[in-house]
Amino acid sequence: ETGVTQTPRHLVMGMTNKKSLKCEQHLGHNAMYWYKQSAKKPLELMFVYNFKEQTENNSVPSRFSPECPNSSHLFLHLHTLQPEDSALYLCASSMTWREGRGTDTQYFGPGTRLTVL
Amino acid sequence: AQKITQTQPGMFVQEKEAVTLDCTYDTSDQSYGLFWYKQPSSGEMIFLIYQGSYDEQNATEGRYSLNFQKARKSANLVISASQLGDSAMYFCAMRVGLNFGNEKLTFGTGTRLTIIP
Repeated sequence: ETGVTQTPRHLVMGMTNKKSLKCEQHLGHNAMYWYKQSAKKPLELMFVYNFKEQTENNSVPSRFSPECPNSSHLFLHLHTLQPEDSALYLCASSMTWREGRGTDTQYFGPGTRLTVL
Repeated sequence: AQKITQTQPGMFVQEKEAVTLDCTYDTSDQSYGLFWYKQPSSGEMIFLIYQGSYDEQNATEGRYSLNFQKARKSANLVISASQLGDSAMYFCAMRVGLNFGNEKLTFGTGTRLTIIP
């Protein structure tokens, strides 16, 4: 596998289900991101992890719970979602330098198309 | 606050013609980066080109070039000799700051480009 992979590619779930989205990056990066892409809306940043530490939570409802066990893996745990949470969920990764030089380009996975019934 | 504006929701271009996709941005920061991504119907966001705010030369990557006009706060993407495979959504994005922890990307609403044979 190369680049950023995401599983599953498609997910249909009921509002009472619990499911998880998985992202894995094979680029040696140390920052990972979750984005939400809804129809006719700009991409929304949800969470940022740098060196496994969460550095950004963009006012995301608690029914979305991220987990980053190491710099290569990122999960998004879903529970009691609403129909308006149906969207494309994109994972991205980039390199971050500790010395404050900022991050490099973000590379995205293919996304998980989530439908909440 | 940062903002990206893409005023062309859709464009139709004849194959082999050049196409310019517009992007204007708004930020009060002096240090920032501008990106263009391509999103085919498969969903993956593909990085195309990057321009730093202090870069004096316009960025180029193969058939892609970025027409950076700092005073006008515009960062238009130019695709030369368009191909059928260029049909996709195109997003302009901005990263503000070059310090650790300021990695947030702000995206525009995108332009849907359709190449006509």
